[in-house]
Amino acid sequence: SQTIHQWPATLVQPVGSPLSLECTVEGTSNPNLYWYRQAAGRGLQLLFYSVGIGQISSEVPQNLSASRPQDRQFILSSKKLLLSDSGFYLCAWRMRVYNEQFFGPGTRLTVL
Amino acid sequence: DQQVKQNSPSLSVQEGRISILNCDYTNSMFDYFLWYKKYPAEGPTFLISISSIKDKNEDGRFTVFLNKSAKHLSLHIVPSQPGDSAVYFCAASARETSGSRLTFGEGTQLTVNP
Repeated sequence: SQTIHQWPATLVQPVGSPLSLECTVEGTSNPNLYWYRQAAGRGLQLLFYSVGIGQISSEVPQNLSASRPQDRQFILSSKKLLLSDSGFYLCAWRMRVYNEQFFGPGTRLTVL
Repeated sequence: DQQVKQNSPSLSVQEGRISILNCDYTNSMFDYFLWYKKYPAEGPTFLISISSIKDKNEDGRFTVFLNKSAKHLSLHIVPSQPGDSAVYFCAASARETSGSRLTFGEGTQLTVNP
């Protein structure tokens, strides 16, 4: 069966510090991968998606970037965090033949 | 432009009764719809989905109805249980969309009272 991991689970970072969140998927190959953010009291906003190694599409211009160095690894980064980057970050994967996406446990990021 | 809308931010029902969560969409290219359930500090879990070629899909206590002409879908939970208390998101996708991205609504907080 497939599983998706995210770490860390929680993170508190000062403004201006760098960020690296990691997501890995097990039990499948060649998945589509997605990064979402849920701000407090809001819905899920798609940040980035990837259909293959090294292929990243950005949905919104912002302070963040993503990379996919391996087939089942997706990384969300920032060089300098802003207060507005605080939120709950979710990674998701999808098999290409299906529409359903499956989410990881999320990372709670607080920028102070 | 909010293409998927859940106009009720919250819903409260009694245990054993029916919960009806509603969702409206504006993009006529959407052809697949999903419902997710989310507990605090956890990732959303997939509940049920429906293709635009159907108007109803049922899975145990959960039934999703799709009214394409009204661009409206709803999730029925019957009977409702306290463990169903969570935020419910509807989502939609269009076959031709690159990466098969999902567009999510803002969510509805369901509270089932014992």
